[in-house]
Amino acid sequence: QVQLVQSGAEVKKPGSSVKVSCKASGGTFSSYVINWVRQAPGQGLEWMGGIIPVFDTANNAQKFQGRVMITTDESTRTAYMELSSLRSEDTAMYYCACGLPMIRGPPGGYGMDVWGQGTTVTVSS
Amino acid sequence: DIQLTQSPSFLSASVGDRVTITCRASQDISSYLAWYQQKPGKAPKLLIYVASTLQSGVPSRFSGSGSGTEFTLTISSLQPEDFATYYCQQLNSYPYSFGQGTKLEIK
Repeated sequence: QVQLVQSGAEVKKPGSSVKVSCKASGGTFSSYVINWVRQAPGQGLEWMGGIIPVFDTANNAQKFQGRVMITTDESTRTAYMELSSLRSEDTAMYYCACGLPMIRGPPGGYGMDVWGQGTTVTVSS
Repeated sequence: DIQLTQSPSFLSASVGDRVTITCRASQDISSYLAWYQQKPGKAPKLLIYVASTLQSGVPSRFSGSGSGTEFTLTISSLQPEDFATYYCQQLNSYPYSFGQGTKLEIK
């Protein structure tokens, strides 16, 4: 069973960028669907985007288009989420989460059954 | 984008109660709906996928049903550890949106 370990908390200035990592152990990293989900303080869950490493093509929520980049490095079994032009509203807990891809159906159809521990990103001047 | 609306947003119930949470999609999502449970300070936990399939290790008191645009999560007999926030998520098409959440509290 795969396990996901994320990088540590970040404090960033408005206008800067943050890159959060998510390292996988166990399982077949390249064939999982890896998603990024964030949660602002006291708020609900927000899907940001996802990628299947073996295909190396990310799908991002339109809301973050142009600001988010989701990538993977199969050699280190690590996924990355980089968010640029940070603003105070980006202060949140950021999670990576993965699931097995669905073959006959949408890629993420099985949901996200393994989650990282979360990375707090604080944007403050 | 597909919008998901959960009802109710808040639910107060007692141990042993049967509770049902509804998730309505703004368009047909077939059966590509998942349910998650989240406790304070923790990452969400997958309970059900493809609308009605119980994730391995999840107690059988949890069940899901529905297809198309209307879905339900039922807990047959609430246990103390079930008091948490529940989210639905559609996985039919990008972006994989979530409902706003239902907070289940102890009465």
